[in-house]
Amino acid sequence: GNSVTQMEGPVTLSEEAFLTINCTYTATGYPSLFWYVQYPGEGLQLLLKATKADDKGSNKGFEATYRKETTSFHLEKGSVQVSDSAVYFCALSAGHYSGGYQKVTFGTGTKLQVIP
Amino acid sequence: DAGVTQSPTHLIKTRGQQVTLRCSPKSGHDTVSWYQQALGQGPQFIFQYYEEEERQRGNFPDRFSGHQFPNYSSELNVNALLLGDSALYLCASSLRLVQGNEQFFGPGTRLTVL
Repeated sequence: GNSVTQMEGPVTLSEEAFLTINCTYTATGYPSLFWYVQYPGEGLQLLLKATKADDKGSNKGFEATYRKETTSFHLEKGSVQVSDSAVYFCALSAGHYSGGYQKVTFGTGTKLQVIP
Repeated sequence: DAGVTQSPTHLIKTRGQQVTLRCSPKSGHDTVSWYQQALGQGPQFIFQYYEEEERQRGNFPDRFSGHQFPNYSSELNVNALLLGDSALYLCASSLRLVQGNEQFFGPGTRLTVL
């Protein structure tokens, strides 16, 4: 079946540090890949996505590139801020393309804490 | 434009009871998915509804059932509650035919089973 593996947290960084959160996946076919973010007490928000190999998703200074050869979708940001403190989930969507009924498989999440 | 809404926000039940959670999708969306998120874990897919029918199901027992109404809103029902059912239940809506299936999530319902 489909699965997503992401690096365990928590990750603690100083403000303006470089961020990398690793994510690898296992899936049949050609999944779409996502990063979601969950701020304390809130639901999940889509941060960025990529729908085919070599696509780069980007949003709010975050980037991730769909690497089919290494089945990876690592999240990066050049300079983190305190407001980036949250839990980050890597996810994939793959399923019945002909019917369009796709379900999302999530990783376990990586908690990021940014200190001033 | 209202996003995905869920009710109630919090719920406390005892073992053996039954519970119903409700979800209204984002305007224009026709597909609703439900997820269970245990503390410190990623969301686990329960099932997905489209055109008032269950279209896909995750690895959850039959105690978990759902319904979708003609206005696309949805309910999640859990019977014979167990302590292990305590979790955050997330509803997500999407457009079935959108490439990449971007899902928009509600804030969740926190269920505590005592």
